[in-house]
Amino acid sequence: EAGVAQSPRYKIIEKRQSVAFWCNPISGHATLYWYQQILGQGPKLLIQFQNNGVVDDSQLPKDRFSAERLKGVDSTLKIQPAKLEDSAVYLCASSNKPSGLTTGDTQYFGPGTRLTVL
Amino acid sequence: GESVGLHLPTLSVQEGDNSIINCAYSNSASDYFIWYKQESGKGPQFIIDIRSNMDKRQGQRVTVLLNKTVKHLSLQIAATQPGDSAVYFCAEPKGPNAGNNRKLIWGLGTSLAVNP
Repeated sequence: EAGVAQSPRYKIIEKRQSVAFWCNPISGHATLYWYQQILGQGPKLLIQFQNNGVVDDSQLPKDRFSAERLKGVDSTLKIQPAKLEDSAVYLCASSNKPSGLTTGDTQYFGPGTRLTVL
Repeated sequence: GESVGLHLPTLSVQEGDNSIINCAYSNSASDYFIWYKQESGKGPQFIIDIRSNMDKRQGQRVTVLLNKTVKHLSLQIAATQPGDSAVYFCAEPKGPNAGNNRKLIWGLGTSLAVNP
């Protein structure tokens, strides 16, 4: 079974520029998550999709971050304009169950995109 | 407030020894807890989970212990190997115990270094 794919793996941009990340979840997984992981910290949920609908985007800075999952499969996360504090690893995860988050509802993570904002 | 945290930021062990990674949590209503392993340059990988009605659960070379009295969670790794070198996170769901609107709250992580 192929894992969660993300691209690019690394991105360096200057502040105020725009950037987009792409995620392809495990085939058949209805739930998709985007996390931000700052160095030395645990991941922080940015947005959760159930198919193509948003379940939770309460921690997404909506003035600069946007995400979509138009066909309920692939997803893109965009930052416009980027700030220095956006430097982090952006992780995509997927799950084959609605996020009741009970035992066994494992989230499978991609390798992440490391973003550096200069 | 609700938080999940780790006692030790780093842990160094000799290959073959047993490792114990600790985690404190503050939400006594949490119904289960999860341990993840994150190797350098990779996303977190599920290791094991435990429901709040259990005090111990064993996997392959790993055991998770839950002490609800003191709100403490630990991950024990037997016969630690170089491949176990990683950052280990405990996490707990936040939100109602049913439905879609739950999310994982992660601790800061403990870095485990295995010396050959």
